[in-house]
Amino acid sequence: DIQMTQSPASLSASLEEIVTITCQASQDIGNWLAWYQQKPGKSPQLLIYGATSLADGVPSRFSGSRSGTQYSLKISRLQVEDIGIYYCQQASSAPYTFGAGTKLELK
Amino acid sequence: EVQLVESGGGLVQPGRSLKLSCAASGFTFSNYYMAWVRQAPKKGLEWVATISTSGSRTYYPDSVKGRFTISRDNAKSSLYLQMNSLKSEDTATYYCARTLLGALDYWGQGVMVTVSS
Repeated sequence: DIQMTQSPASLSASLEEIVTITCQASQDIGNWLAWYQQKPGKSPQLLIYGATSLADGVPSRFSGSRSGTQYSLKISRLQVEDIGIYYCQQASSAPYTFGAGTKLELK
Repeated sequence: EVQLVESGGGLVQPGRSLKLSCAASGFTFSNYYMAWVRQAPKKGLEWVATISTSGSRTYYPDSVKGRFTISRDNAKSSLYLQMNSLKSEDTATYYCARTLLGALDYWGQGVMVTVSS
């Protein structure tokens, strides 16, 4: 099975700050990587698919990138509404594993 | 507007069965792979099952393989998850989700399943 190692587990940042979350895949998954945001008590929402493509309706301050088997989610200017838990997921091969999540809080 | 509405959750004893349903609307259901994802209380997300457009191909992680069965009725725009031999570790909120290029682009509101005696 493909393991997704997500870091950091938690992150405290200030408004307007640049935030970066990373996921390391245990083997090659190409661009089969998605990022999700989950706010408290809500269903997850797709942010990024195909490692770098922005999902419909997602603000442009979110972006995804890839370097080999390391994937990053960047929030260019943190806003209050960005607080929540972020998950990566590999969609290359079953089982389609998720990262453990990154809890993003406001400093 | 895409909508996914789960139902069928509840309290069930260990070893018993439960069937979840997901009613889809706002898109051509038969054109999309569909999936179930679960989240144990205060835990992360776990993929549970995926089904192809026709229903001919299904995929499961080892944790539920042989116990859970995903199915669909394209005529009714409905997705199902039959869960047998339930264990306490199956306690979670179960989400129905649409799949797009491997990603889960729309999610339902979730339905709670509690396995306890």
